[in-house]
Order: sequence, then C-alpha cells, then structure tokens
Amino acid sequence: QSVLTQPPSASGTPGQRVTISCSGSSSSIASNTVNWYQQLPGTAPKLLIYNNNQRPSGVSDRFSGSKSGTSASLAISGLQSEDEADYYCAAWDDSLNGVLFGGGTKVTVL
Amino acid sequence: QLQLQESGPGLVKPSETLSLTCSVSGGSISTNRYFWGWIRQPPGKGLEWIGNIFYSGSTYYNPSLKSRVTISVDTSNNHFSLDLTSVTAADTAVYYCALVRSEWFSHFGLWGRGALVTVSS
Repeated sequence: QSVLTQPPSASGTPGQRVTISCSGSSSSIASNTVNWYQQLPGTAPKLLIYNNNQRPSGVSDRFSGSKSGTSASLAISGLQSEDEADYYCAAWDDSLNGVLFGGGTKVTVL
Repeated sequence: QLQLQESGPGLVKPSETLSLTCSVSGGSISTNRYFWGWIRQPPGKGLEWIGNIFYSGSTYYNPSLKSRVTISVDTSNNHFSLDLTSVTAADTAVYYCALVRSEWFSHFGLWGRGALVTVSS
C-alpha cells in the first residue's frame, strides 16, 4: 500500500527534543530520498530537510533528519515556540510512480 | 531570486474545469535543473501531490487524479498551468505550484503562496 504514516501530533516544552516518525515501504522510503516540510499557520510549506538529512541554506541546525530502511525521522532539538507548525514527510514511490506525502504532524510547544 | 505565483479563478462551479497558472519570475522555466509541480491542500487537511512537468512537456501525474488532470508548460511566457476537469466539492483546496529538483521528484524547493479555489454553485 502506498502511504507514508506520521503521528498526527507531537508536543514538548521549550528546550526539549521532539522526534517525528514517517513510516513507508520498500517502494517508497527504502528506495528513495525523503524530504521534510514545515508549514507555519496560514503559510505555504517550506522545505526543511532534503535528501534524508540535508538542510537547505538558512534552516536552523536544530532540525535534523535520518532514514533507516522503510522509516525516516525528523528531530527538533531545543524546541522553541516558533517551531509550532505542521510537518510533512514526502518521498517518491516506485509502485505508485508518484510522490507521496505523509498525513502531517502538528507540533505544539507546551 | 526565483519566485512563483499562482493565478486563476477563486470559484469554480461543479462539473466545470479548474484552471490555474503559475508564473515563474527571476529565472527561466527552460532549465534542466528543475521540474515544476502542483500540490494541493484541502482546508484543514494535508498535502496532496497533483503532478510534475519538465520544460520539454514531460509529465508525471498522481494516478488518483490522472484521468482529470492536464499540466502544460508555456516556455515563451515562462509559466506552467494546471487544468482539472469535472470538479466537485472535494476539489476545493489551496493549490500550490512549486519548483522541483530534477534528481528528486519529492524535493519541492520553492513554493508559491498558494491559490484558494472553491468549488460551489
């Protein structure tokens, strides 16, 4: 089945580390690179992590990505109030022959 | 600095065709480095990929939308377009255009601000 599964929500207090998972399959994450997007309220998504663990210029090093087998993760360290947003993973799927997005994870700073 | 801007009607009647254009400024659409993509987001929901196009006209579509979608490119005017036929209320969404790295089709490196399209009579 061609889906990327994310937890709907995650939370933490300022300064904590939060991790978001993205579960896929052999035809998606295991075979292709994973990208992560941050969507602040009322704005367009922004590329946060590309090629599994690379940060575009200007993205804080508090954000990091990793991939292992059919799963990927996004970690936010030193959580800040400005990190409250929706986060999406994305990957190409060879079976679908198309791009999959995860359902999104809403991060709340308590 | 490359910029993308969506334009088109904000209201479309059921069963009609939704048409949007994405204008590219600050660079040429005719480059081997990038594809150009459309993604949509229904109100309060997640992102859905619609399709990608290369300046030569090569396209990749979401299989779930393929029968209703056409993405085209106009290199002389530096823009690309989306047509979605036979729309229903389920097609109500913010539609984004984006720049896509040629090596990684899920790498949407730059997004437009989005255009809200409502399907209603």
